[in-house]
Amino acid sequence: AQSVTQPDIHITVSEGASLELRCNYSYGATPYLFWYVQSPGQGLQLLLKYFSGDTLVQGIKGFEAEFKRSQSSFNLRKPSVHWSDAAEYFCAVGAGNAGNMLTFGGGTRLMVKP
Amino acid sequence: EAQVTQNPRYLITVTGKKLTVTCSQNMNHEYMSWYRQDPGLGLRQIYYSMNVEVTDKGDVPEGYKVSRKEKRNFPLILESPSPNQTSLYFCASRPTGGTYEQYFGPGTRLTVT
Repeated sequence: AQSVTQPDIHITVSEGASLELRCNYSYGATPYLFWYVQSPGQGLQLLLKYFSGDTLVQGIKGFEAEFKRSQSSFNLRKPSVHWSDAAEYFCAVGAGNAGNMLTFGGGTRLMVKP
Repeated sequence: EAQVTQNPRYLITVTGKKLTVTCSQNMNHEYMSWYRQDPGLGLRQIYYSMNVEVTDKGDVPEGYKVSRKEKRNFPLILESPSPNQTSLYFCASRPTGGTYEQYFGPGTRLTVT
């Protein structure tokens, strides 16, 4: 069965600083990989996704992620964090036919210092 | 507006009292799914449905039932709720194929006492 690990439960960065959120997955085949963001009291919004092709994917709000098969990782990055980026971030791997079963990591809560 | 709606948004109930959380989408999506979110565990898939009358178990189906009689609706049924089902529940939908992006509802916070 697939699994996702987000090693950092909480991360605090200063506004304007760079950000990297870690995600490691376990899956026997080529995975479908996703990053979602959840603002307080809200549902989940897709930031970006990887299915195949270019291993560096661009998403919304200036985020990007890089798929590294050798490290089973899909880390999320942003060069300059804004206060509005404070939220919880979830990495997910899709398995089964067309990624029908989504397995999420435990989430990383990002706090942004002014 | 394209959206996934859930009702109720908040529910407090007692052990053993049957309840249903409704989920509806207006995007004509074939695929729908239910998740529960618990601190430190992220979201865990309960059930999903590929289309009308087609449902399958996710990672944590015990204690839950679903039905898919219409394309737009995918209710989650707890026939005998227990306190360990206290959680935040999300419904999601997406079209078959395409980008595989799932669209999430606003969530239902359930407390079972």
